[in-house]
Amino acid sequence: DTGVSQNPRHKITKRGQNVTFRCDPISEHNRLYWYRQTLGQGPEFLTYFQNEAQLEKSRLLSDRFSAERPKGSFSTLEIQRTEQGDSAMYLCASSPNSVEQYFGPGTRLTVT
Amino acid sequence: GENVEQHPSTLSVQEGDSAVIKCTYSDSASNYFPWYKQELGKRPQLIIDIRSNVGEKKDQRIAVTLNKTAKHFSLHITETQPEDSAVYFCAASDTGFQKLVFGTGTRLLVSP
Repeated sequence: DTGVSQNPRHKITKRGQNVTFRCDPISEHNRLYWYRQTLGQGPEFLTYFQNEAQLEKSRLLSDRFSAERPKGSFSTLEIQRTEQGDSAMYLCASSPNSVEQYFGPGTRLTVT
Repeated sequence: GENVEQHPSTLSVQEGDSAVIKCTYSDSASNYFPWYKQELGKRPQLIIDIRSNVGEKKDQRIAVTLNKTAKHFSLHITETQPEDSAVYFCAASDTGFQKLVFGTGTRLLVSP
């Protein structure tokens, strides 16, 4: 499968715990995006990488959120001290040096 | 920032009918307008897109039109089939990092 992959697909955690998600983009796609999608809504932009550089962060990305793309390939999104409001689908998308974005299957986070 | 509105929120049609979903955007600098189809529990799938230098684009049974003056764009699906049933999202991209701003989605139900 040469599409965008994300792991884990589902994560249940207790409030206050830290979680980390991984995204593997399509090979040679230099742009990588993270979005969050809640039930009944469209995806909302969180952050964007061009190769290993994080170039933009949304105001939705509080201090508890951090994202990395250390070698310009896969990316991780960490949420510290999770809150119930963090429950959502976290989507990753990648793009070649153009505008089309291709999404992964997402990681569904449930904070209890 | 960009704001995208999408109508209707739900749309029910009979198999073989046409379906039209409309979106408006606020930022006249936006220049890329994709449409995504999302089936329950699956990733958003890019189905068609249009750039601001084009007024219409067709791909088999689907077409997208763009009116830059009025800042609205529409998705047209002809000869609908039950497998077209899904949530459809429009989006607009800014001219910088191409982060997508999504509409709130349209749930399309095609009855046999």
